[in-house]
Amino acid sequence: NAGVTQTPKFQVLKTGQSMTLQCAQDMNHNSMYWYRQDPGMGLRLIYYSASEGTTDKGEVPNGYNVSRLNKREFSLRLESAAPSQTSVYFCASSEVLVGSQFFGPGTRLTVL
Amino acid sequence: DQQVKQNSPSLSVQEGRISILNCDYTNSMFDYFLWYKKYPAEGPTFLISISSIKDKNEDGRFTVFLNKSAKHLSLHIVPSQPGDSAVYFCAARQGSGAGSYQLTFGKGTKLSVIP
Repeated sequence: NAGVTQTPKFQVLKTGQSMTLQCAQDMNHNSMYWYRQDPGMGLRLIYYSASEGTTDKGEVPNGYNVSRLNKREFSLRLESAAPSQTSVYFCASSEVLVGSQFFGPGTRLTVL
Repeated sequence: DQQVKQNSPSLSVQEGRISILNCDYTNSMFDYFLWYKKYPAEGPTFLISISSIKDKNEDGRFTVFLNKSAKHLSLHIVPSQPGDSAVYFCAARQGSGAGSYQLTFGKGTKLSVIP
């Protein structure tokens, strides 16, 4: 039982390049989330998916797109990376009625 | 506008003593409060939670207190151990419709437990 897995663990991009961050969970959770964590800023919600087939914007969605591929997988895409998107990205999942979210180990992204 | 505030960026405590981490919030619509613990280079892990209809929840060495009138919660760790050294995030839950909810996180408090 791996919980929430994220790939890649590290990535360096040049400004303007695109990439997709992958996330998968094996806990049969309905809801999935993407956060970013910047120094001194805590975690901020980028996008979330309440259930398979739905996605909604969070606090900081600009510059990102998401896809809920199936119940297990939720990807985050940067179409044209900018230095302001340098951050650590965390994926999380949860059951609807449970208070806690389970987090992946994170992807450390640097945009030059 | 920060809806969840952790005003102490860091806290140092002697091993065996009590650690008290504080959190304030402004949104009355929050219905559930959670504490997460985060070690460097790892994702946050859930520690303990409390519903807005309760004022205390205890789990082993960890107790969370909620004062709704003051919009304040605190996490008590007794006794503190060196392995408790981590960043602690306070989070508050609000329903977002469609059967899901969003968490709003504070900026975190780095706890250092000194042996």
